[in-house]
Parts: sequence; C-alpha cells; structure tokens
Amino acid sequence: DTAVSQTPKYLVTQMGNDKSIKCEQNLGHDTMYWYKQDSKKFLKIMFSYNNKELIINETVPNRFSPKSPDKAHLNLHINSLELGDSAVYFCASSLRPGYGYTFGSGTRLTVV
Amino acid sequence: AQSVTQLDSHVSVSEGTPVLLRCNYSSSYSPSLFWYVQHPNKGLQLLLKYTSAATLVKGINGFEAEFKKSETSFHLTKPSAHMSDAAEYFCVVSEAGGYQKVTFGTGTKLQVIP
Repeated sequence: DTAVSQTPKYLVTQMGNDKSIKCEQNLGHDTMYWYKQDSKKFLKIMFSYNNKELIINETVPNRFSPKSPDKAHLNLHINSLELGDSAVYFCASSLRPGYGYTFGSGTRLTVV
Repeated sequence: AQSVTQLDSHVSVSEGTPVLLRCNYSSSYSPSLFWYVQHPNKGLQLLLKYTSAATLVKGINGFEAEFKKSETSFHLTKPSAHMSDAAEYFCVVSEAGGYQKVTFGTGTKLQVIP
C-alpha cells in the first residue's frame, strides 16, 4: 500500500499545453504539500493545504492551480506549460503542519 | 525568518568509515529539525527528526544527529558508511507555532567509495 501516491510518474508535453498531476494519501494526514525540485536538487515549496484549506501559497505563477477535493487528495493543474516548468514535482503529506513529511515518489515533468 | 545551511554540497567517504554531514540553522523560535534522504530517482524519506525532546536523535539505518543550540547545528552522523548510503541528504527546519513554514537545505550528495 503506497502511502502517498502521485500520477503520472513521467509526463512529457509540449509548450503551451495544460496538464494535471494527481496526489492521494492514505495516511489520514491533515496537511498536504506540493514541492518543485529543480535540476540542482533544490526543493521549493509551492502550496500547502490543511484540511482542504490553502495555508501556504508561495510565489508561484498563476498558471499553477492546486485543488483539494478532500483532505486525502491534492491535485496540481498547470496551464500554458513553459520550458522552465520542467522539473520533478513532489507531493507530500504530514499529520499536521510542521510534522515530518511523507513524500510521494515524484512526477518528472519535461516540457519540450 | 528561518534558514538552513548545509555546509558541504558533496561528501565522499570510504565504505566502513564514519559519515558526517553538516547542517547549521537559524530560527527565531524553537525549531523542529529533520534530515531526509533521497536515493537516485526516488522520493524523499524521513531519516530522523528533532522536536525539543532529547538532543541526540536516532534515526533509521544507523544514522543519528545531535541538536546543539549553542552552535545552531544539527549534524548528521553514522559510524560506518555502507554503499547503500550513497544518496542526497537534506536538512530541514520548521518553526513551531501556527502553520509552520518549512525550509529545506540545498542538499549534500554523499558518495561512498568501495
């Protein structure tokens, strides 16, 4: 049983397209996150939801929109993809904000 | 404001020798501190965490870290490196209270030489 699962694992798409990445956790955690990891392995938080409520929204282009239909799911929709969006996107969850994270295995997005 | 600095971007050790990965932090409040490991093409896994209990924290796979408030450090150690320890390691700080913001270090790549 995967605790935090992301789909798809790999995503190759053309510039200008719209794509979504899905994330689900079965740990009963209240808080979920999206992180972007660039080619230098630097991890930057994008969004955080606590019980379906947005609590962290870092400086991220409006083209990125998170959606949390329930506290077990946090999806990421990206409009008008750009070359610079190529990265690995990680979903994570924690029992509550500030507790240790459980990460998904990542989605490698390549924009061509 | 909080920050975390991993002092070495790369560390290379021989198999069977000790590992030391250095991390310094700054925080206005009582921080929680974590170490995560990322193996190639994998997600991050929690190694250990400090949350204001014992200052010497033991984690998985024989790793441990010591919280030193006077030095604002949280270095990760292991007595004897194994080939499977080769990975990227991230030090993380989280400030207590409210919706804590979490800051990741830039990572230390550990190479283990046979």
